[in-house]
Amino acid sequence: KQEVTQIPAALSVPEGENLVLNCSFTDSAIYNLQWFRQDPGKGLTSLLLIQSSQREQTSGRLNASLDKSSGRSTLYIAASQPGDSATYLCAVRGGANSKLTFGKGITLSVRP
Amino acid sequence: KAGVTQTPRYLIKTRGQQVTLSCSPISGHRSVSWYQQTPGQGLQFLFEYFSETQRNKGNFPGRFSGRQFSNSRSEMNVSTLELGDSALYLCASSSDLGTGDSPLHFGNGTRLTVT
Repeated sequence: KQEVTQIPAALSVPEGENLVLNCSFTDSAIYNLQWFRQDPGKGLTSLLLIQSSQREQTSGRLNASLDKSSGRSTLYIAASQPGDSATYLCAVRGGANSKLTFGKGITLSVRP
Repeated sequence: KAGVTQTPRYLIKTRGQQVTLSCSPISGHRSVSWYQQTPGQGLQFLFEYFSETQRNKGNFPGRFSGRQFSNSRSEMNVSTLELGDSALYLCASSSDLGTGDSPLHFGNGTRLTVT
């Protein structure tokens, strides 16, 4: 059974800092991995999707990497801003027709 | 293009009642999935549909059911509500052909409170 872990549960950083959010999963046989952002009371917004054959994806100040052999993914946020404050979740899909398994998320607070 | 629309946004029900939640996916999306989000358990998968067929089902009791219509709109139903069913129910759609290759687009959810 796939398990996805995100530690720490919460993180507070000053504005402008570069930061890394971690995601680990127990079964390395994954199909793809997605990073999402959730603002309070809202649904999730997809940030990046990495297929199993890829090592990383970039979008603006965000870069996500995937290391299947070690069961890890990282989301790198450059030059953090207060608007980046949200909960960040990663989710793993085990196969083409299988379900997504989510981590519990990391609540990020960027202080002005 | 309109996003994923979920109705209603808020619901308050009494134990033992049943409830139906609705989800309209992004136009052209045929894959729809449902999730339950609670502070303790996080996001848990309920079920997934593609072209009116249920592709996957999570580990929830039979009181939770869903369906998808020919226009890709989806509904989920919870019967005999329990206090523990209080949660944010999220619907997501994607443009893939049932393969899970594409990013999910989520609605803002329906907040269900069971008293």
